[in-house]
Amino acid sequence: KQEVTQIPAALSVPEGENLVLNCSFTDSAIYNLQWFRQDPGKGLTSLLLIQSSQREQTSGRLNASLDKSSGRSTLYIAASQPGDSATYLCAVGVGGGATNKLIFGTGTLLAVQP
Amino acid sequence: EAQVTQNPRYLITVTGKKLTVTCSQNMNHEYMSWYRQDPGLGLRQIYYSMNVEVTDKGDVPEGYKVSRKEKRNFPLILESPSPNQTSLYFCASSLDGFYEQYFGPGTRLTVT
Repeated sequence: KQEVTQIPAALSVPEGENLVLNCSFTDSAIYNLQWFRQDPGKGLTSLLLIQSSQREQTSGRLNASLDKSSGRSTLYIAASQPGDSATYLCAVGVGGGATNKLIFGTGTLLAVQP
Repeated sequence: EAQVTQNPRYLITVTGKKLTVTCSQNMNHEYMSWYRQDPGLGLRQIYYSMNVEVTDKGDVPEGYKVSRKEKRNFPLILESPSPNQTSLYFCASSLDGFYEQYFGPGTRLTVT
């Protein structure tokens, strides 16, 4: 059974710091991995999608990497800002054919202090 | 604007009173799905649909029904809600389930 773990559960950093969020999964049979951001009381905003054949994706100050063989992904945030404060979720896409779904980690709550 | 919409956003109801949460997407996506989010448990899939008239159970389908009569709509039906269905519900859509999933704003349901 696929399990997704995110460490740390919570993180507080001063503004301007570079930081890394970690995501690990137990089964390497995934077809993609997606990072989301969730603000309090809000929905999920997709940040980056990495297909299983890819190693990394970049968008602005964000860089996500994927190592399927070791069951790990990292989300790197450069020059953090208070506006980056949110919960970050990673999800792996599993299935194929008639069954496709995302399995989520429980998230990392990030606070960027001004 | 490409989006997934859900209604209502907030709902308080009583045990046993049937309710429907609507979900609609304007991206012509084949795949749609419902998730619930609970503290400490994260998001879990309830039902999904690969296409019109094709639906299947996710990980926690008990107590829920869905239908997919049109490509753009995927309502979630609770025929006899119970307090353990108090949760935050999200609808999502994707081109075909293998691509990026887009989420609606969420519906916070409280069953008393």
